[in-house]
Amino acid sequence: QKEVEQNSGPLSVPEGAIASLNCTYSDRGSQSFFWYRQYSGKSPELIMFIYSNGDKEDGRFTAQLNKASQYVSLLIRDSQPSDSATYLCAVNTGGFKTIFGAGTRLFVKA
Amino acid sequence: DGGITQSPKYLFRKEGQNVTLSCEQNLNHDAMYWYRQDPGQGLRLIYYSQIVNDFQKGDIAEGYSVSREKKESFPLTVTSAQKNPTAFYLCASSTVESYEQYFGPGTRLTVT
Repeated sequence: QKEVEQNSGPLSVPEGAIASLNCTYSDRGSQSFFWYRQYSGKSPELIMFIYSNGDKEDGRFTAQLNKASQYVSLLIRDSQPSDSATYLCAVNTGGFKTIFGAGTRLFVKA
Repeated sequence: DGGITQSPKYLFRKEGQNVTLSCEQNLNHDAMYWYRQDPGQGLRLIYYSQIVNDFQKGDIAEGYSVSREKKESFPLTVTSAQKNPTAFYLCASSTVESYEQYFGPGTRLTVT
């Protein structure tokens, strides 16, 4: 069974620090990788996607992909209290099937 | 503004009743999806549709039905056969060129 694994957290970081969120996946053939942010009681919001090995930066967010290790991560620089949310890792395993991890709860302390 | 709408936001039903959740998008996306989210679990795919008049079962389709008569609309019916229907239901859409899915605000269904 294809799986996406995330540490459930909570991950607690002080304001201004770098938050590092990690995700591993089981299907070596996966091609597309996504990070969603979900505030409590709300729906997921797409914040990053990455298709190639390496880093992709967008503002304070950097997604990192290592297909050989089947590992994808999200770094949030200069973390703010408003970044406190659950972050979902999602992996497209082919066609229209995307597997979502259960999410990591991030808490940024002011 | 382009986006996805779901209605209602909250829905309460008695056990044994069928209920239909609405999902509409004006993003001109061909693909639409229904997911269910339970506390502490990842999103689980119920049904998806790549094109009008076509849809496929996801991982947990039992007890659910869908239709796709228009590109913009993908309603989900939760039938009385669904054993544990209380959950947060999320509709999403994407293009068929990329699989970046954009979500509606969700419907929180409570069945008692």
